[in-house]
Amino acid sequence: QVQLVESGGGVVQPGRSLRLSCAASGFTFSSYGMHWVRQAPGKGLEWVANIWFDGSNKYYGDSVRGRFTISRDNSKNMLYLQMNTVRAEDTAVYFCARDGWSSVLAAAAGLDYWGQGTLVTVSS
Amino acid sequence: EIVMTQSPLSLPVTPGEPASISCTSSQSLLHSNGYNYLEWYLQKPGQAPQLLIYLGSYRASGVPDRFSGSGSGADFTLKISRVEAEDVGVYYCKQALEGPRTFGQGTKVEIK
Repeated sequence: QVQLVESGGGVVQPGRSLRLSCAASGFTFSSYGMHWVRQAPGKGLEWVANIWFDGSNKYYGDSVRGRFTISRDNSKNMLYLQMNTVRAEDTAVYFCARDGWSSVLAAAAGLDYWGQGTLVTVSS
Repeated sequence: EIVMTQSPLSLPVTPGEPASISCTSSQSLLHSNGYNYLEWYLQKPGQAPQLLIYLGSYRASGVPDRFSGSGSGADFTLKISRVEAEDVGVYYCKQALEGPRTFGQGTKVEIK
């Protein structure tokens, strides 16, 4: 079965760096785009970034562009989020999610699998 | 950036009764392929979000048929034909058409 397991969260000081990881299993990782979505405590969902199946294209939300970098290693079935120059407002649970695809409709089919998330707390 | 606006933000429901949530986007989500790139998610308390509807009206695998999505262009609706106790949580719409993907603010559904 499809599994996504995030790791790497914790407490980090403002201005420092942190790298999140997402281990994928149960599907052909190299065939799917992937996303990071975050949720600040008590708040709604905020899309962070996505990366194409082959890593050739990456897109970012306005609040993280220039500070965060999404990447993947298809040989290891791993997705990453490098977080630099973190701020208090980056405090959130970070979810990785798979970009679904409908072969019948030949179109994107939503974020069909999600991990359980990893908590990042930015605090001095 | 496409702005997504949901209403209502809070929705008390009675089990067995229907419920409806609206989502409006700041620009059309209709792709040149004819599909509307609008998704619905449910986040149950303490859980990760789960996909309910993609491309405006297609139910994700395993989603009960009491959930339906409709609409086109910039106006969309999620309907629950008969609410069950397990449907409580926060519902989000999300656009997947272009640019930074954006979610609505969320609609909290709770039992009266």
